[in-house]
Amino acid sequence: EAQVTQNPRYLITVTGKKLTVTCSQNMNHEYMSWYRQDPGLGLRQIYYSMNVEVTDKGDVPEGYKVSRKEKRNFPLILESPSPNQTSLYFCASSSYTSGINTGELFFGEGSRLTVL
Amino acid sequence: AQSVAQPEDQVNVAEGNPLTVKCTYSVSGNPYLFWYVQYPNRGLQFLLKYITGDNLVKGSYGFEAEFNKSQTSFHLKKPSALVSDSALYFCAAGGGATNKLIFGTGTLLAVQP
Repeated sequence: EAQVTQNPRYLITVTGKKLTVTCSQNMNHEYMSWYRQDPGLGLRQIYYSMNVEVTDKGDVPEGYKVSRKEKRNFPLILESPSPNQTSLYFCASSSYTSGINTGELFFGEGSRLTVL
Repeated sequence: AQSVAQPEDQVNVAEGNPLTVKCTYSVSGNPYLFWYVQYPNRGLQFLLKYITGDNLVKGSYGFEAEFNKSQTSFHLKKPSALVSDSALYFCAAGGGATNKLIFGTGTLLAVQP
């Protein structure tokens, strides 16, 4: 079954304690992206990756890191989480066509993070 | 800068009635437009997209959307709403020289029995 898998689904942590949210896709997609969803703000892109070892900042990258060492995995790292990073996070992937991302995005189920 | 606007936070409709969820966009060049649906505690699911061609696009679950270039709109429609259509709907736009997809703030669709 084609899917994007995120872990953990729920996490409560404290300020400053490093954490990683994993994301894995089994569709051989080139493009992967992280979003955060906040009430009234919709989805905002944090980082994206066009392929292995190619990553770039989205609209709200501050406080986050990513890596793309393998095509299927795209972990999101919060080195020193703060309460304003409390949010619902989504990983997504897509095929990549002709230099323009026109493929539909496949989303994971989301990871709800609370930073105290 | 690219932007997507969904002017209604919530749309209420009675089951069996037609529904419209509005979306307008601002994208340089030719836009790529999408609708996604999010059910409670789930990730977003793709409904339909417009890349080029016929302005009326048909998608999943009986939904369709009409691309209107002059009004820069891409409204989501369905002829007869179901209670099970109740969910959060997101419009998204990409295109131009960017590889980014910009999402609207979402519209909550509530279908009353």
